[in-house]
Amino acid sequence: AQKITQTQPGMFVQEKEAVTLDCTYDTSDPSYGLFWYKQPSSGEMIFLIYQGSYDQQNATEGRYSLNFQKARKSANLVISASQLGDSAMYFCAMREVSLSGGGADGLTFGKGTHLIIQP
Amino acid sequence: KAGVTQTPRYLIKTRGQQVTLSCSPISGHRSVSWYQQTPGQGLQFLFEYFSETQRNKGNFPGRFSGRQFSNSRSEMNVSTLELGDSALYLCASSLDGRTYEQYFGPGTRLTVT
Repeated sequence: AQKITQTQPGMFVQEKEAVTLDCTYDTSDPSYGLFWYKQPSSGEMIFLIYQGSYDQQNATEGRYSLNFQKARKSANLVISASQLGDSAMYFCAMREVSLSGGGADGLTFGKGTHLIIQP
Repeated sequence: KAGVTQTPRYLIKTRGQQVTLSCSPISGHRSVSWYQQTPGQGLQFLFEYFSETQRNKGNFPGRFSGRQFSNSRSEMNVSTLELGDSALYLCASSLDGRTYEQYFGPGTRLTVT
């Protein structure tokens, strides 16, 4: 079963509008982290925002915020006031933290959402 | 502070050959993770090295291996290349692999013909 599901393969949004990118996850571990990365056409993965499973408040980083609904296992990314430079692939990812002391597992990524901002 | 560097950036190899990719983490970072990105399978975790030891491993065949040196630089090796190994290989560094900051390099694009 998929651990990270991104249901929007592509999205077109007008410049200056707010954007919500959907992400649902599946885990039975109580300790995990949720991430959003941006990947422009150059290929580099750019870290945007992080939410820990025990964090009480939703994470925010500038124009990015993460709408964390733990009971629904949802971690949607919200981009306010979109810009042309926001056009890219966006990936939601999760890392389950091993309690055996072996460090955190690798990131599990969703399939991504291709966001295109139109002028 | 310099970011994560990967060399080479582009590589073309023939089926059956082997290849070695290199990753230099951010100064002070001791954990290096490797990921494979393909159009079909997406982004998949290969392995993570910390203090010269492989600490976590994804679900890849034994043809994929890696190592980490005392200066935290890491190499990834793929032997007996197959067409399906064509991919973007990304490495990510973090301080200790337990904190959440993972910074990715620009990737090495490998094409197998």
